Amino acid sequence: RKEVEQDPGPFNVPEGATVAFNCTYSNSASQSFFWYRQDCRKEPKLLMSVYSSGNEDGRFTAQLNRASQYISLLIRDSKLSDSATYLCVVNKGQGGKLIFGQGTELSVKP
Amino acid sequence: DADVTQTPRNRITKTGKRIMLECSQTKGHDRMYWYRQDPGLGLRLIYYSFDVKDINKGEISDGYSVSRQAQAKFSLSLESAIPNQTALYFCATSPSYNSPLHFGNGTRLTVT
Repeated sequence: RKEVEQDPGPFNVPEGATVAFNCTYSNSASQSFFWYRQDCRKEPKLLMSVYSSGNEDGRFTAQLNRASQYISLLIRDSKLSDSATYLCVVNKGQGGKLIFGQGTELSVKP
Repeated sequence: DADVTQTPRNRITKTGKRIMLECSQTKGHDRMYWYRQDPGLGLRLIYYSFDVKDINKGEISDGYSVSRQAQAKFSLSLESAIPNQTALYFCATSPSYNSPLHFGNGTRLTVT
């Protein structure tokens, strides 16, 4: 089992759609969780940290389910500019290094 | 100005050549990292450093070496480049173990 595994893509959705990505992790001691966004051939950029209580930033909502060891990212009212690859990142146990998922590609069409 | 700067942005080199990729940061972070990204394989950690005197191997360190010249500078070297080291390389920094990473703008390396 991979340490961090994401939904395979690509996701092709129309503008205005709601889309959700899931990411599972294998280390039950993981404590830090993040979603990054990466545009083609550019550096990953932090989209949001994921907190135990869940958190929301505008159209984006992130949730953590420790019992089932997964995190999710929900994007509402998709925009063309949301087209990118979304990376799930989890630390490898307390104090451990950050492990990246393979990424899920999202394409939002007019 | 970028907080994490990588040079060069693009480099084409021949098999067997020595090459150095440089990273400098103005964020004041102690922790610095080198990753490579390949299609379908995601980001993989090459080396990381938690301070100037601390260097650690990542999951794919073979064929690479690093130097932490100062808190702000972390260089990655390929002593004898080979074609399967063709990839996109990213430097990143963070202030602590549970903080997110801040990435440089990447170096696209091609080994022919």
